[in-house]
Amino acid sequence: AQSVSQHNHHVILSEAASLELGCNYSYGGTVNLFWYVQYPGQHLQLLLKYFSGDPLVKGIKGFEAEFIKSKFSFNLRKPSVQWSDTAEYFCAVTSDNYGQNFVFGPGTRLSVLP
Amino acid sequence: KAGVTQTPRYLIKTRGQQVTLSCSPISGHRSVSWYQQTPGQGLQFLFEYFSETQRNKGNFPGRFSGRQFSNSRSEMNVSTLELGDSALYLCASTDGDTDTQYFGPGTRLTVL
Repeated sequence: AQSVSQHNHHVILSEAASLELGCNYSYGGTVNLFWYVQYPGQHLQLLLKYFSGDPLVKGIKGFEAEFIKSKFSFNLRKPSVQWSDTAEYFCAVTSDNYGQNFVFGPGTRLSVLP
Repeated sequence: KAGVTQTPRYLIKTRGQQVTLSCSPISGHRSVSWYQQTPGQGLQFLFEYFSETQRNKGNFPGRFSGRQFSNSRSEMNVSTLELGDSALYLCASTDGDTDTQYFGPGTRLTVL
């Protein structure tokens, strides 16, 4: 069955530190990849997405992600985090092979210390 | 365009009762998906409706059901509630042109 894993359950960083959150998926075929963010008390919001083309995708709020097909990975990065980036981050994948069901990773909680 | 709306936002029920949650998708979106979010299990896919038909279904018992109306609004129903059904239930509508899901704020269900 298809699955999405995220490397870290909880990441704690100081402001201005660089961020990289890992995401790996388990299935082949054509995939669409997403990162969603859930700020405390708010609903899930789309950060960025990859469908095709340039594997380096830029999203909102200075986030970017790189799709590495050979590694089945779609890691999220930000060069310098802010306290306001404290949130839970979810990687999600859809695949032509699985009827375009969204499969979400378990999430990574990011805490940024001021 | 208005976002995805869900009603009610909060619900408290007791074991054995049933509950109906409602979701209105973004105008023009024909696909509606439902998820259960809990601290222990994360986001789990319940089902997806497209043009009034259930297109995909997750691994949940038959107590969880849904439907979609001709205006794309969707409802999900949970019968014979159990304590473990306490969760945030999220609805998402999908932009068919970009295959991107947009989420509503959720309905927080507490089962006592």
